[in-house]
Amino acid sequence: GAGVSQTPSNKVTEKGKYVELRCDPISGHTALYWYRQSLGQGPEFLIYFQGTGAADDSGLPNDRFFAVRPEGSVSTLKIQRTERGDSAVYLCASSLSNQPQHFGDGTRLSIL
Amino acid sequence: AQSVTQLDSHVSVSEGTPVLLRCNYSSSYSPSLFWYVQHPNKGLQLLLKYTSAATLVKGINGFEAEFKKSETSFHLTKPSAHMSDAAEYFCVHRAHSGGYNKLIFGAGTRLAVHP
Repeated sequence: GAGVSQTPSNKVTEKGKYVELRCDPISGHTALYWYRQSLGQGPEFLIYFQGTGAADDSGLPNDRFFAVRPEGSVSTLKIQRTERGDSAVYLCASSLSNQPQHFGDGTRLSIL
Repeated sequence: AQSVTQLDSHVSVSEGTPVLLRCNYSSSYSPSLFWYVQHPNKGLQLLLKYTSAATLVKGINGFEAEFKKSETSFHLTKPSAHMSDAAEYFCVHRAHSGGYNKLIFGAGTRLAVHP
């Protein structure tokens, strides 16, 4: 079956711009996670959704980052006033309740 | 606080020789531990998981890991490396927070396999 889909696969934009990254989870998965992977590092947790609500957003680095999941399926990670330090691979994962997470291929974001 | 430490940032082996990727964990609870693999420009794939059942866990592609509480270790092994095993490997701890899967990743070990 279809796995977790993330679009775009690559995004290049200028400093100060606004970006949206999309995640389509596996159908039926109620839990959705966003992680950020900087170059040479392991992924770091950003936010967790259970259904439509953000149950834990403690990993969001600052208020320029925001994520939504309005219908409990697709999620969008939004970054305002991008900075060069935001450059990273953004990974999305989904799962059933406490089952292992399935990851998408990520969006590679480059801020010039 | 829960954490994982991967002891080697790079490991290089010859094809057909054994693989050992080392991981130590720190946890206040009985841990749930995982190994994930990441091939270039690809997402993370689950290799195996330990959730307090058998201490020797078998995963996909011939990998296995042994949970040793006395050593707080969860090392990943494979008897014979294949060229296709070249990738980044992450040891991962599941944080017990509100009953859901908040994953804490190690820094990763890059495995190179030479002919």
